[in-house]
Amino acid sequence: AQKITQTQPGMFVQEKEAVTLDCTYDTSDPSYGLFWYKQPSSGEMIFLIYQGSYDQQNATEGRYSLNFQKARKSANLVISASQLGDSAMYFCAMREGNYGGATNKLIFGTGTLLAVQP
Amino acid sequence: EAQVTQNPRYLITVTGKKLTVTCSQNMNHEYMSWYRQDPGLGLRQIYYSMNVEVTDKGDVPEGYKVSRKEKRNFPLILESPSPNQTSLYFCASSSSRLASRTDTQYFGPGTRLTVL
Repeated sequence: AQKITQTQPGMFVQEKEAVTLDCTYDTSDPSYGLFWYKQPSSGEMIFLIYQGSYDQQNATEGRYSLNFQKARKSANLVISASQLGDSAMYFCAMREGNYGGATNKLIFGTGTLLAVQP
Repeated sequence: EAQVTQNPRYLITVTGKKLTVTCSQNMNHEYMSWYRQDPGLGLRQIYYSMNVEVTDKGDVPEGYKVSRKEKRNFPLILESPSPNQTSLYFCASSSSRLASRTDTQYFGPGTRLTVL
């Protein structure tokens, strides 16, 4: 069965430093997508970045990048130059199937609470 | 503006009193789903719907009902709420057929439910 594991319940980082949030996954489907969401204290879910299983390059979106290591089944989120506004809960999620017919169901990890310190 | 709306945003109720949380999307999405979020457990899917009149159980469906009579609406019904259903609930929607690989679900703002 597909599964997402986030082993860091909470992390601290100094403002302006980079931080890596860990995510490992398990699936038998060769086609899948990996997502990271941010949930600030206000509660909404904000989509950050996506990585497809067949993508040759690591995804990047502004200060967010995804360190995708397929053989190790890991998809770590890297936030560069942390800001106070980055303090939030971060969820890794996976969708099995990436093309027509995929149901778009997401499996979520348990989340990592990031606190950025001034 | 493309959005998913949920009502109410906050609800405190008592055990056994039937309640409905409404969800509506304006993006003409076929796929809609409900999740609950609990500390240490992440988000878990309750029910989902592939289209009008097509619904199916997710991972934690016990104690919940849904209906999909219109494409835009997907209400979550708790016929007899219990304290273990105290949680943060999210409605989400997306296209069923992925227009692009990066298609993901759009989430509503969440409904915080407390059952006493």
